[in-house]
Amino acid sequence: EAQVTQNPRYLITVTGKKLTVTCSQNMNHEYMSWYRQDPGLGLRQIYYSMNVEVTDKGDVPEGYKVSRKEKRNFPLILESPSPNQTSLYFCASSAREGRVDTQYFGPGTRLTVL
Amino acid sequence: AQKITQTQPGMFVQEKEAVTLDCTYDTSDPSYGLFWYKQPSSGEMIFLIYQGSYDQQNATEGRYSLNFQKARKSANLVISASQLGDSAMYFCAEKLTFGTGTRLTIIP
Repeated sequence: EAQVTQNPRYLITVTGKKLTVTCSQNMNHEYMSWYRQDPGLGLRQIYYSMNVEVTDKGDVPEGYKVSRKEKRNFPLILESPSPNQTSLYFCASSAREGRVDTQYFGPGTRLTVL
Repeated sequence: AQKITQTQPGMFVQEKEAVTLDCTYDTSDPSYGLFWYKQPSSGEMIFLIYQGSYDQQNATEGRYSLNFQKARKSANLVISASQLGDSAMYFCAEKLTFGTGTRLTIIP
């Protein structure tokens, strides 16, 4: 089954404690990205990756890191989380299907930083 | 840079009525694609429908259709014969740029 998986699905942590949210896709997609969703703001892109070892900042990259060592994995790293990073996070992957860059979303990770 | 505007934060609609969710976009790309996603209370993002900028006809997928007016830069989602299960957040997107969403509630 084609899917994007994220782990953990829920996480409560404290300020300053480094954490990683994993993302994996089994569709051999080249493009992967991370979003955060906040009430009234919709989804905002944090980082994206066009291919292995190629990453770039999205609209709200501050406080986050990513890596793309393998095509299927795109972890999101918070080196020193702060309460303003409390949010719902989505990983997504896409491949060109004709002219349609349909994105496949993971189930989301709800992060609370105390 | 792209910008997506959804001006309806919330809507309440009677069951079985048709619903139109508004979306306007602003992009300088001559070729672009518009997406609508549904997010139920469980949180997952569900792709609904796609409209390409060069598509000659408005997209339709079952009860979903897209009222695409290129000159007005609008891509409104129309849901016919609404059902209780349509209650959710709906997001309009131009490729990777999302609007702020509309929360649709269907009333029995």
